[in-house]
Amino acid sequence: DAKTTQPPSMDCAEGRAANLPCNHSTISGNEYVYWYRQIHSQGPQYIIHGLKNNETNEMASLIITEDRKSSTLILPHATLRDTAVYYCIVRNSQGAQKLVFGQGTRLTINP
Amino acid sequence: DTGVSQDPRHKITKRGQNVTFRCDPISEHNRLYWYRQTLGQGPEFLTYFQNEAQLEKSRLLSDRFSAERPKGSFSTLEIQRTEQGDSAMYLCASSLVTGSYGYTFGSGTRLTVV
Repeated sequence: DAKTTQPPSMDCAEGRAANLPCNHSTISGNEYVYWYRQIHSQGPQYIIHGLKNNETNEMASLIITEDRKSSTLILPHATLRDTAVYYCIVRNSQGAQKLVFGQGTRLTINP
Repeated sequence: DTGVSQDPRHKITKRGQNVTFRCDPISEHNRLYWYRQTLGQGPEFLTYFQNEAQLEKSRLLSDRFSAERPKGSFSTLEIQRTEQGDSAMYLCASSLVTGSYGYTFGSGTRLTVV
């Protein structure tokens, strides 16, 4: 699985959009981009995933660049409950089955 | 079915003792994964099962660790002769085999070896 690079920490004001970047320059054509988050003392929670097209669900939006070498997770109206570590992972759904977590981005939402 | 359940939530044990953790996955999920997470780090893969077959083990899984999923439903992770370095959160997750679906994680078992 390709590796990802994320900033170690970010801050965002409550009510604003939080934009979390991820670089995955070695991603291959059949690898998906997954985002998970982990709130303190809980297991990671699935947020969203995508292959090529932008995706949106009730939690977030995922914007993937045309060359697929980077992506951005957008939390449109961040709340204090969105404070967590956010992990960007690339994974081949057909091959290796394990998710390989990096260090993630510690997002702090400030009141 | 409310998700992945792990038991116990917390375990304190003395060095040298054996411990066993249990994971109950989402019932229709045929893949089950174990991860370990130490403070400040992302989860690290330990092993995974497809039904009752253990298909991959990480090099992190020393011979003191053993995992089973005897009937393809719940799984147990046993650590023998615990060491202080085994102190960590042990996470279980489950998923379907097919498709690009994500994993569902449990809340974990926090092990403290004293």
